[in-house]
Amino acid sequence: AQSVTQPDIHITVSEGASLELRCNYSYGATPYLFWYVQSPGQGLQLLLKYFSGDTLVQGIKGFEAEFKRSQSSFNLRKPSVHWSDAAEYFCAVAPRRKTSYDKVIFGPGTSLSVIP
Amino acid sequence: EPEVTQTPSHQVTQMGQEVILRCVPISNHLYFYWYRQILGQKVEFLVSFYNNEISEKSEIFDDQFSVERPDGSNFTLKIRSTKLEDSAMYFCASSELAEPTYEQYFGPGTRLTVT
Repeated sequence: AQSVTQPDIHITVSEGASLELRCNYSYGATPYLFWYVQSPGQGLQLLLKYFSGDTLVQGIKGFEAEFKRSQSSFNLRKPSVHWSDAAEYFCAVAPRRKTSYDKVIFGPGTSLSVIP
Repeated sequence: EPEVTQTPSHQVTQMGQEVILRCVPISNHLYFYWYRQILGQKVEFLVSFYNNEISEKSEIFDDQFSVERPDGSNFTLKIRSTKLEDSAMYFCASSELAEPTYEQYFGPGTRLTVT
């Protein structure tokens, strides 16, 4: 069955520390991969996406993610976390349909807290 | 920057009542979506809509749900007879096209509370 797992429900990091949020997917073929962020009371904002090509993807707000086909993973990283990064982070996939995608399937989310 | 807007931000309704959640997608976008997020759970796809018809729907999107684009700007989700388990945050999204280079832009959501 198609699924997206985020093993960490909640992570706390100190401001300035590095961050890695884990994501694994289970899908027949490599889907399109995304990371979204949801700040309290806000909608979902796309951080970055992977469709093809370079497996290290750069996104907004200093985030990057690396696609590893052998591990079916798409982990999100940031070298130095800022207090404003505290939010809920969702890994997501979209099944490939030829060259398009339709629905986005979200993981359960990882809540990030940042301590000063 | 253009954005997806949703009204109302919070809707309280009694079980069995009909509700209509409204969305204004980004003006040049052609694909429209509804997702929902039950409190503490993940965001779930409900339905996608293109060219005035449903493109895909999930098993959640049963006969109690319907979508409509009544005019050139609004996109609505109707729940005919609400149940307690319909309480959730409902997100509208839109994209210019359904191709990989076009991301889905999400609105801020409507929190629906069914009592």
